[in-house]
Amino acid sequence: QSALTQPASVSGSPGQSITISCSGTSRDFTDYDSVSWYQQYPGKAPKLMIYEVSNRPSGVSNRFSGSKSGNTASLTISGLQAEDEAEYYCSSYSSSSTPFVFGTGTKVTVL
Amino acid sequence: EVKLVESGGGLVQPGGSLRLSCAASGFTFSTEPMHWVRQAPGKGLEWVSYISSTSRTIYYADSVKGRYTISRDNVKNSLYLQINSLRDEDTAVFYCARPHSNAMDVWGQGTTVTVSS
Repeated sequence: QSALTQPASVSGSPGQSITISCSGTSRDFTDYDSVSWYQQYPGKAPKLMIYEVSNRPSGVSNRFSGSKSGNTASLTISGLQAEDEAEYYCSSYSSSSTPFVFGTGTKVTVL
Repeated sequence: EVKLVESGGGLVQPGGSLRLSCAASGFTFSTEPMHWVRQAPGKGLEWVSYISSTSRTIYYADSVKGRYTISRDNVKNSLYLQINSLRDEDTAVFYCARPHSNAMDVWGQGTTVTVSS
């Protein structure tokens, strides 16, 4: 199975906005609005930040937003804070032989 | 409180077997499908397997087909993952996770499997 493609790292200064991209094939994205995003700190379990492209679970800061255009999904973190420094993964249901796929992961660094 | 607690990990020799467990509480486990996800040391998340609430529908990642078996016991509120013919590349933290709205909204803390002679 092929993972969704994310940049290895993204950085920004406190208060800035950053965007993480997540690219797949038409089989990964077009058929489903199932893109989700997860935040993971070292040694901890992932935490759901965005589901169904742009929805935030209860308790997740509105500084996190998601969108999708064609075969690319994006996670934007606005008003970057030190606590946002973590690994971020996108995921999606897929119509390929592997029904669920994660992205390669992006390390966010707050400068 | 909705909670998932994995157990059963450990140090296993290549070729060995292991059964991982995931105990669910705080929600109606019998009506929810479940996933297993793994993460090798220093690597990203990898989806492993899915099971529907009734066990009627099961999926596996291509990389584990034939060696991994997912199952559940809705009376015991437990999810399982049987791993056979363990290989070095199975070394990972294994998480169980609850699906919600095409995502995974609840995760366990993970259980570590180490394959080494």
